[in-house]
Amino acid sequence: NAGVTQTPKFRVLKTGQSMTLLCAQDMNHEYMYWYRQDPGMGLRLIHYSVGEGTTAKGEVPDGYNVSRLKKQNFLLGLESAAPSQTSVYFCASSLRANVLTFGAGSRLTVL
Amino acid sequence: AQSVTQLGSHVSVSEGALVLLRCNYSSSVPPYLFWYVQYPNQGLQLLLKYTSAATLVKGINGFEAEFKKSETSFHLTKPSAHMSDAAEYFCAVTSNRMKTSYDKVIFGPGTSLSVIP
Repeated sequence: NAGVTQTPKFRVLKTGQSMTLLCAQDMNHEYMYWYRQDPGMGLRLIHYSVGEGTTAKGEVPDGYNVSRLKKQNFLLGLESAAPSQTSVYFCASSLRANVLTFGAGSRLTVL
Repeated sequence: AQSVTQLGSHVSVSEGALVLLRCNYSSSVPPYLFWYVQYPNQGLQLLLKYTSAATLVKGINGFEAEFKKSETSFHLTKPSAHMSDAAEYFCAVTSNRMKTSYDKVIFGPGTSLSVIP
């Protein structure tokens, strides 16, 4: 039982480069989320999805795009990376919108 | 709007001592409350949750939390700290409503727990 799997675990980008973070869950959860974690700020919601084919903005969506073409996958894209996007990114999923199951995180550094 | 505050960004206790991590919430509707734990270089995992049943909630690894509506608090306790409890702890709140639509889960800033041998 893998739960929530994030790839890649680490990535270094130069300013202006693009990349995609992949999140996969095998629990048949309806809801999926992307958070970023920064020191002293807890977790901030970037985007979320309440089902296949749907996405919505969270607290800090600027500079990010997402897609949920398949129920089990939720992709987070950075079109033009900026140093302010250096962070640890967590994907999570839930059956209903309360108890979240988190992935192990993806550490992104933008130089 | 909902919010969560956690008093103390860093707490140190001696091994065997009481652990008390404080969480206060603000919510205009009945809340669901959670404590999550994050070990180094890992994702968050659920410790316990309050969903309007018993006000004293027991979780994994000997932790428990008590919902006090009058104090808008949901403090996390453990009678005797163990070295393995060293981690980051996050309190979170969402609304207690019919889950037919999405209600945000709001996380507090976290409290880092150190256990001194």
